Amino acid sequence: GAVVSQHPSRVICKSGTSVKIECRSLDFQATTMFWYRQFPKQSLMLMATSNEGSKATYEQGVEKDKFLINHASLTLSTLTVTSAHPEDSSFYICSARAQGHEQYFGPGTRLTVT
Amino acid sequence: EDQVTQSPEALRLQEGESSSLNCSYTVSGLRGLFWYRQDPGKGPEFLFTLYSAGEEKEKERLKATLTKKESFLHITAPKPEDSATYLCAVSNTGKLIFGQGTTLQVKP
Repeated sequence: GAVVSQHPSRVICKSGTSVKIECRSLDFQATTMFWYRQFPKQSLMLMATSNEGSKATYEQGVEKDKFLINHASLTLSTLTVTSAHPEDSSFYICSARAQGHEQYFGPGTRLTVT
Repeated sequence: EDQVTQSPEALRLQEGESSSLNCSYTVSGLRGLFWYRQDPGKGPEFLFTLYSAGEEKEKERLKATLTKKESFLHITAPKPEDSATYLCAVSNTGKLIFGQGTTLQVKP
């Protein structure tokens, strides 16, 4: 139980283009989903929190117009990186939380912007 | 300020050599302390949640304990497949505050 998927697992895009990453909770309904990014040999950095049907709450320093988050249903959240630049290259990980306090993480998406 | 500190940063063990990982925390209104395992290039895998001092949880070779200031992850007779980064996190507002992790390497 508590399986979270992400798609795609890897994506390479050109500078200036947009990329969408999907996060799905497969066997439970997620009241809240979270988006993180992780740089090599560093811990996870929370980018934003999203609740189904509501606007996402972004952490300080995260550009909401650059990282668009949509939480359309209790099992799906998407992160769109708009006008991507090489500095946006990173490992993006989503997590989902049901009724309890535990967050279950997806396998991550490796974004490379050339 | 809410904070989580893990030690050591890296740990090398021989197969079968038991040890402990430390997670020290300061948080206002602890809602839970979480342990995750992360393999390279993958998302964290949930291991344990601890809610109150004195609580203990076990899973195979892993045992997590909690006091009011810190948590320990005890690894008994580790195997090479236990090699990974172990992350500790606390929650007060519903968000997770992560430590920097302990990278464990178990040599056969």
